[in-house]
Parts: sequence; structure tokens; C-alpha cells
Amino acid sequence: EPEVTQTPSHQVTQMGQEVILRCVPISNHLYFYWYRQILGQKVEFLVSFYNNEISEKSEIFDDQFSVERPDGSNFTLKIRSTKLEDSAMYFCASTRIIPTNTGELFFGEGSRLTVL
Amino acid sequence: DAKTTQPNSMESNEEEPVHLPCNHSTISGTDYIHWYRQLPSQGPEYVIHGLTSNVNNRMASLAIAEDRKSSTLILHRATLRDAAVYYCILIRYNQGGKLIFGQGTELSVKP
Repeated sequence: EPEVTQTPSHQVTQMGQEVILRCVPISNHLYFYWYRQILGQKVEFLVSFYNNEISEKSEIFDDQFSVERPDGSNFTLKIRSTKLEDSAMYFCASTRIIPTNTGELFFGEGSRLTVL
Repeated sequence: DAKTTQPNSMESNEEEPVHLPCNHSTISGTDYIHWYRQLPSQGPEYVIHGLTSNVNNRMASLAIAEDRKSSTLILHRATLRDAAVYYCILIRYNQGGKLIFGQGTELSVKP
């Protein structure tokens, strides 16, 4: 069964360092998302991406964050200068069509980011 | 975004049915009701969705009240693997597809 894969599974970094989290969405999917979940808290929407551009972003997704789809298969989330509060589990998700009435979001297993 | 209200936690015994309620009194006519669950240390997983009619799939059933102001996710026979946080989410048509997660209901299943 096709699945969304994320790397790395866990990354530890120093505050101020740049981090890139990678995702390989399911191959025929067109809509891509990043979510994050701080330990013990709810899952929060960061950004959605379609047709090589950001469709929507949340307040969390400030200038320190960026996304790109560099080669038609990977979907990356970059945090330019990490802060302690960026420590969280980051989930990538994808779907073939907008999951309003027929589609469902497929989530990866997550990348745990620890900022020291 | 229309708000949903779920109990923080529920308990069930293995192999018994579980009814997980969700209130969404401010639902609009174009809102779809989606349920996702998150198993420990995993990403969220789609369970079921509906608009007005009750729905069944291999994982669960979704019962939607006639006025659509509430819905119930039904797991017919809970297994230990069903222990998870269950999220009831409303998605508005043409909203762009993002899911807004609440706190969800943490379901524990006792053997």
C-alpha cells in the first residue's frame, strides 16, 4: 500500500541552525501539507501546497519556514534558524484531491525535531 | 472554522462497541464531517467521513444526527489496537482541504 515517507525520523539540532525535513508524498497526489505537534499538544496546521505554490499557511508558518518541491517527488520543510519552541513532531500529508467531500489526507509517520 | 466538541477521554472494554460522540452545533450546510485517529507515536489516520447520511466502512460507522448538529463514531468491536486519540473535524467545501484538529477524545481499551 502506498505511503507517505518522512526523513529523518529524529533530528537533534542546536538553536539557530537550519533544518530541512523531507517528505516523499504518494506518487499521484497533488496536494501537500505540513503539520506539527508539540509534545502533549494538538496537531497544528502549518501550510498547504498545490501546483508548486503555497495555498494557505497558518500564523505559525512565519518567515523562518519555507517549503518547496524541488524535484517533483520530494516535498521539504525548511526552518531557517531554529528556536527552542520549534521542537515538535512534524507530519507531512498528501492527498490526490482536496479532502472536502471525497478525499482523505494520508499522513507520514513524522519527523521528531529536538532543538537544544 | 466551525467548532467541534468532544469528551476528553473515554474507556472501553475489548470486543465491546464504542460510541464516540461529537457536537458541532454551528455546522453549516456545506461542512463535511471527518474523523481521524492518531495511534501512539504515529501520524493521524483517516477513519471515515460523511455529510448527511450514515456511513459505514471497514473501520467504523458514522451516525449523523438528522439536524447534523452532532455525530457519533461507532467502533463495532473495540480492539486493543483501537486505543488512540479520535478527532472529529469539520471541513467546509472550498476551504482548501486543510484539517483543523481539536483536542480529540483519547480512547483507552481494556483487555
